[in-house]
Amino acid sequence: DIQMTQSPSSVSASVGDRVTITCRASQGVTNWLAWYQQMPGKAPKLLIYAASGLQSGVPSRFSGSGSGTDFTLTISSLQPEDSATYFCQQANTFPYTFGQGTKLEI
Amino acid sequence: EVQLVESGGGLVQPGGSLKISCAASGFTFNNYEMNWVRQAPGKGLEWVSYISSSGNTVFYAGSVKGRFTISRDNAKNSVYLQMNSLRAEDTAVYYCARRTYYYDSRGHGVGGYFDYWGQGTQVTVSS
Repeated sequence: DIQMTQSPSSVSASVGDRVTITCRASQGVTNWLAWYQQMPGKAPKLLIYAASGLQSGVPSRFSGSGSGTDFTLTISSLQPEDSATYFCQQANTFPYTFGQGTKLEI
Repeated sequence: EVQLVESGGGLVQPGGSLKISCAASGFTFNNYEMNWVRQAPGKGLEWVSYISSSGNTVFYAGSVKGRFTISRDNAKNSVYLQMNSLRAEDTAVYYCARRTYYYDSRGHGVGGYFDYWGQGTQVTVSS
């Protein structure tokens, strides 16, 4: 199975800050990687597909980059509503696997 | 509006069985692949199972292979997860998720991603 490792596990930042979360795959997944946002008690929400594609309706302050084994999610100007846990997920090979999550506190 | 509504969760004893359901609406169900993803209390997300749009192809996580069975009824716009030989470590919120295949601006496929999720159903395995 492909292992996905996120860092950091948690991060605290202020409104207006720029935050970057990284995700590393144990083997190459081309650019078949997604980022999800999960609010407490809610289902995950797709933010980024194919490493850098912005899902419809997602604010443009969210962006993704990377290919192969190393990926990043960047939030350019934090808003209070961005407080959540973020997960990466590889969609290259079954079994699909997720990172362990990054908890973002504003 | 796309909606996925899970049901059937509950408390079951170790070794027991449970079948959970996901009712879909707001899209042409038989055009989409479906998945189950679970989340243990305070833990991350774990993909559990996949079923193709026709139901002919299925995949399972190693942790549930041989114990869980995914199925679908396209006439009822529903996907199911039959869970047997349940263990304490199967305790989780179970989400159904629609998988949509995306294409780039050149028309090249760039993978399938979970674009809609249900609200989840709690499954607790305990004596």
